[in-house]
Amino acid sequence: DAGVIQSPRHEVTEMGQEVTLRCKPISGHNSLFWYRQTMMRGLELLIYFNNNVPIDDSGMPEDRFSAKMPNASFSTLKIQPSEPRDSAVYFCASSFGLVSYEQYFGPGTRLTVT
Amino acid sequence: GENVEQHPSTLSVQEGDSAVIKCTYSDSASNYFPWYKQELGKGPQLIIDIRSNVGEKKDQRIAVTLNKTAKHFSLHITETQPEDSAVYFCAATDQTGANNLFFGTGTRLTVIP
Repeated sequence: DAGVIQSPRHEVTEMGQEVTLRCKPISGHNSLFWYRQTMMRGLELLIYFNNNVPIDDSGMPEDRFSAKMPNASFSTLKIQPSEPRDSAVYFCASSFGLVSYEQYFGPGTRLTVT
Repeated sequence: GENVEQHPSTLSVQEGDSAVIKCTYSDSASNYFPWYKQELGKGPQLIIDIRSNVGEKKDQRIAVTLNKTAKHFSLHITETQPEDSAVYFCAATDQTGANNLFFGTGTRLTVIP
């Protein structure tokens, strides 16, 4: 079975540019999570969807960040405009059901903003 | 929200010895406590979890214990092998019962052959 798929795996962009990260959750999972990992702050939850609806976006750092889940098999995290401090590894994770907590992570996207 | 603390930040053990990583949490309503292993360049991988209705769970060489009264839980790895070398994260849910996980800061485990 395919796990969580993320693309691209690496992204290098210049400050001010728009960045779009993509995620395909595990088939059948109906909860999707976006995390950011940095040395300074560790793993932080950015936003969480259930049945394609955003449930908690309190972790989204600024209005420059937005996330969508147009259908059960696809989600995007967009940063516009990007800044050097956005450089991090962004992970997508998915889980099944409202009461099942096992989250399965994708391989991550390493973002570098110069 | 939930606050999860993890110790130690680094741990080195000889191959074959045991390794123990400890975490504490702040929200007494937390009821799910997973452990993740992250290898270099990869995403965190769920290795074991425990729910609040049990005190211990074991899976081959790894085990997790939970003390709800003291609000702490631990990961135990026995007969360590070089491939156990990785960063380990503990996590806990918060009182909302939602799927949000709050992660510890990680423990870098090195198993010396």
